[in-house]
Amino acid sequence: AQSVAQPEDQVNVAEGNPLTVKCTYSVSGNPYLFWYVQYPNRGLQFLLKYITGDNLVKGSYGFEAEFNKSQTSFHLKKPSALVSDSALYFCAVRDMGTGGFKTIFGAGTRLFVKA
Amino acid sequence: DTAVSQTPKYLVTQMGNDKSIKCEQNLGHDTMYWYKQDSKKFLKIMFSYNNKELIINETVPNRFSPKSPDKAHLNLHINSLELGDSAVYFCASSQGRGQETIYSNQPQHFGDGTRLSIL
Repeated sequence: AQSVAQPEDQVNVAEGNPLTVKCTYSVSGNPYLFWYVQYPNRGLQFLLKYITGDNLVKGSYGFEAEFNKSQTSFHLKKPSALVSDSALYFCAVRDMGTGGFKTIFGAGTRLFVKA
Repeated sequence: DTAVSQTPKYLVTQMGNDKSIKCEQNLGHDTMYWYKQDSKKFLKIMFSYNNKELIINETVPNRFSPKSPDKAHLNLHINSLELGDSAVYFCASSQGRGQETIYSNQPQHFGDGTRLSIL
């Protein structure tokens, strides 16, 4: 079965500094990887995905993620953090289960950006 | 325009009661889902429907019964509510049939959740 791990419960960064939120995956075959963001009292919002092709994927709100096959990682990055980026971030992988595809989410990483 | 809408936003009720949560999507998607997010923010799929047909049913108690009257709606009925049912329930949708590989890379669109509190 596919799985993702987010090793950090929380990431703290100062506004204007680069940020990284880590994700590692375990899959058989080619991985379909996603990042979602959740703001307080809201549902998850899609940020970006990796399917194939360029290892650097660009997404919404200036975020990007780097797919690294040898390290089985898909870290989320942003060159300059904003206070408004503070939220809960989920890494996810698409898994083919009985009956159809389903998304397996990581445990989430809370990002705090200080002004 | 709200793409995936859930009602109610908050639901406070007593143990043993029966309640329903409604979900509607106006994105024209074929597949809809129910997720449960616990107090530690862990998100787990419960059900997936494709064009009114149940395609994924995770290990969920029989007290939970989803119903899809049409592909734009997926409701969740819960019987005999228990304390452990307290959580935020999210509805989501995605494009295409759940079993087709070409749609496996489509992102999901989430509603804003229903916060269920059992007294």
